[in-house]
Amino acid sequence: GAVVSQHPSRVICKSGTSVKIECRSLDFQATTMFWYRQFPKKSLMLMATSNEGSKATYEQGVEKDKFLINHASLTLSTLTVTSAHPEDSSFYICSAKSRDLANTGELFFGEGSRLTVL
Amino acid sequence: AQSVTQLGSHVSVSEGALVLLRCNYSSSVPPYLFWYVQYPNQGLQLLLKYTSAATLVKGINGFEAEFKKSETSFHLTKPSAHMSDAAEYFCAVRDFGNEKLTFGTGTRLTIIP
Repeated sequence: GAVVSQHPSRVICKSGTSVKIECRSLDFQATTMFWYRQFPKKSLMLMATSNEGSKATYEQGVEKDKFLINHASLTLSTLTVTSAHPEDSSFYICSAKSRDLANTGELFFGEGSRLTVL
Repeated sequence: AQSVTQLGSHVSVSEGALVLLRCNYSSSVPPYLFWYVQYPNQGLQLLLKYTSAATLVKGINGFEAEFKKSETSFHLTKPSAHMSDAAEYFCAVRDFGNEKLTFGTGTRLTIIP
């Protein structure tokens, strides 16, 4: 149980286009989802926290107009990279907190999505 | 704010040898502590977690970690390394009442045949 799926796993796009990445909790309801960015050989940097039905909370330094996050349901959150540029190329990972396991502190991670902007 | 320090960005051990990956945290109260493993181009998989129950925590794949409050440490160990253990390992901390995980910088484990 507690599976989180991301789609697409890999995406290549042209500079200036927008890309949407989906994060789904397959077998549980996620009250909160988190979006991370991981640079090569680096740790995970939290970008934003999204709660179902409300606006995402962005970390300092993360452009909310560039990285649009929507958490429309308890099983789906999306990250849209708008007007992508080569410096946006990175590995994006989502994680979700289960409504039923909220007290454990455990987060469940997706497989990650590698974005390459040409 | 809590922080996590992982000593050693790269650790190499021989197959069959002891694995020791170090993690120290800074937090005003005993937090939740986690170890995650990441294989190339994949997300993170939980190895084990400490949530204020037993101080010695056993996880998957033969890994375990011991919470030592006096040393503010949560080192990860495995008695005998296997080739399949080669991966990136992240220690993470989360304060009680705070949803955010703070990750260490990671330790790349290489297994020497």
